[in-house]
Amino acid sequence: QKEVEQNSGPLSVPEGAIASLNCTYSDRVSQSFFWYRQYSGKSPELIMSIYSNGDKEDGRFTAQLNKASQYVSLLIRDSQPSDSATYLCAVKPGGYQKVTFGIGTKLQVIP
Amino acid sequence: DVKVTQSSRYLVKRTGEKVFLECVQDMDHENMFWYRQDPGLGLRLIYFSYDVKMKEKGDIPEGYSVSREKKERFSLILESASTNQTSMYLCASRADRGPFFGSGTQLSVL
Repeated sequence: QKEVEQNSGPLSVPEGAIASLNCTYSDRVSQSFFWYRQYSGKSPELIMSIYSNGDKEDGRFTAQLNKASQYVSLLIRDSQPSDSATYLCAVKPGGYQKVTFGIGTKLQVIP
Repeated sequence: DVKVTQSSRYLVKRTGEKVFLECVQDMDHENMFWYRQDPGLGLRLIYFSYDVKMKEKGDIPEGYSVSREKKERFSLILESASTNQTSMYLCASRADRGPFFGSGTQLSVL
């Protein structure tokens, strides 16, 4: 079992819709969770971090964490063509500096 | 703003060459990382360092070594480059609030 699992996609959504990106992780001691956006040919850019169960909202982005189910998700409301990118989920255990990434989900927002 | 600078954007080397990839960060971060990214395989951790002269193997350390003589600089060394090391190499610093990445080095080994 991979440490961090994501569906590679592509996930296609129409402009203005909600895009839902999902991630599961295997290590129960994971404490910090991150979402990155990566445009083609560019390096990953941190867009959200979440550390406790529940929802965290930042503009059009909402990160959701459920530690009991070992599940973290990213919702993008009012999706725009400029949101088309690969979204990477990353996890870090508490007290340890190794950060592990999922394979990433490619999102396509159709105008 | 955090800045992580990788010395080269593109690099072409020959099989068997010793290759140095340099990374410098300007935010006094203790933690630095080297990842490689390949299509279909995602980002994989090669090595990371949590202090000067301290290093830990990541998930794919074979064929690589690292050096951290100063806090701001973390070097990745390919002792004898091979074609299967052709990849995008990404350096990052910081960990607790999420790694911050440099712009990457696309290495081609011919």
